[in-house]
Amino acid sequence: QVQLQESGPGLVKPSQTLSLTCIVSGDSISSSSYYWSWIRQPAGKGLEWIGRIYSSGNANHNPSLKSRVTISLDTSKNQFSLKLNSVTAADTAVYYCARGPWPGPFDDWGQGTRGTVSS
Amino acid sequence: QSVLTQPPSVSGAPGQRVTISCTGSSPNIGAGYGVHWYLQLPGSAPRLLIYDNNNRPSGVPERFSGSKSGTSASLAITGLQAEDEADYYCQAYDSSLSGYVFGTGTKVTVL
Repeated sequence: QVQLQESGPGLVKPSQTLSLTCIVSGDSISSSSYYWSWIRQPAGKGLEWIGRIYSSGNANHNPSLKSRVTISLDTSKNQFSLKLNSVTAADTAVYYCARGPWPGPFDDWGQGTRGTVSS
Repeated sequence: QSVLTQPPSVSGAPGQRVTISCTGSSPNIGAGYGVHWYLQLPGSAPRLLIYDNNNRPSGVPERFSGSKSGTSASLAITGLQAEDEADYYCQAYDSSLSGYVFGTGTKVTVL
């Protein structure tokens, strides 16, 4: 059974970069037929898809985040990462990593990690 | 920015049937992509409830069912139970975004 676990600093200053990692067990991100995604949820609000990456390294992101998003794979550690730059208070949210086939659902989710943007 | 629209809340007494609508558009639900539904309890990650319009993952009770027609989809809960009180989200792939969109979310309250 696949498990996903997010990690990263909980507090980031405005204009800096939020960096998060999702450690995967039970599946190989380098050979999986699934996509690996990041999803966020501001407190009291709904879910927003941030972006995804495939085992080939091909990635794409939600256009609403413009070009602030970078998603990458670290196959040696079986993990994938999110970098969100030029953050503002609006980026404060719980960040989830998730796995799913295309164009299917998100089958498996991490427990989520809170990212707070504050000076 | 949610592209799929859901009612903010629905409620029902124990044992009743409630439905949650999810309205999309041509690039997502109307394009033929499957609609998926998630349940989220407070402080927890979402959990897949229905996939590809009307399929239940193993372990999901039969009283949860889904349907889709045109650019809309629905989730029905029959025999409502106290444990069903949660937030529910629909989700689909959107070809105009080359990505995924979620519904605005619906809070189900058991009276």
